[in-house]
Amino acid sequence: QQQVKQSPQSLIVQKGGISIINCAYENTAFDYFPWYQQFPGKGPALLIAIRPDVSEKKEGRFTISFNKSAKQFSLHIMDSQPGDSATYFCAAPDSYNTDKLIFGTGTRLQVFP
Amino acid sequence: NAGVTQTPKFQVLKTGQSMTLQCAQDMNHEYMSWYRQDPGMGLRLIHYSVGAGITDQGEVPNGYNVSRSTTEDFPLRLLSAAPSQTSVYFCASSFGGNTEAFFGQGTRLTVV
Repeated sequence: QQQVKQSPQSLIVQKGGISIINCAYENTAFDYFPWYQQFPGKGPALLIAIRPDVSEKKEGRFTISFNKSAKQFSLHIMDSQPGDSATYFCAAPDSYNTDKLIFGTGTRLQVFP
Repeated sequence: NAGVTQTPKFQVLKTGQSMTLQCAQDMNHEYMSWYRQDPGMGLRLIHYSVGAGITDQGEVPNGYNVSRSTTEDFPLRLLSAAPSQTSVYFCASSFGGNTEAFFGQGTRLTVV
């Protein structure tokens, strides 16, 4: 069973700062690493995903960096805003069954003005 | 376009009662799944389905049953509720396990 280890559990950042969330996985049968964003009382929604034929993907203020040899990937939020305050989950396909998406334990981000 | 619809939004059960959480999607997705979300535990996969008539177990399947008779619907059944099943339950659908998953709004279940 794939395990996805996510850190930190919580993060407090000042407006305009950089938020960094890290994830590590054990093995994967398919390279697809998404990040989901969840606001209180809502279901998670896809924020950004990478299929690592590249080591980095950027969409606006959000960037995924991927290190295949270290089996790690991270989410960087540049110029963090109060509206970014949410819980963030990384995910990776199961080692043996790519139909199963395994999520990390989540990071609660709070951005203060 | 409603996306993924879960009902009910809130439910309180007594220990030993049974109930079904409903999930419907209108995006013609083959892949549907159920997760439970608990503090500090993230989203854990309960059961999933890759198409009508096909279901399989996830990480935490015990105490839950599923069936998939149509592409649109994927109900989750609790046969005999236990306090350990107190959680927020999310249904999701996608074109495949490694494509964008669309989540419902969740069902907050309390078992007393």
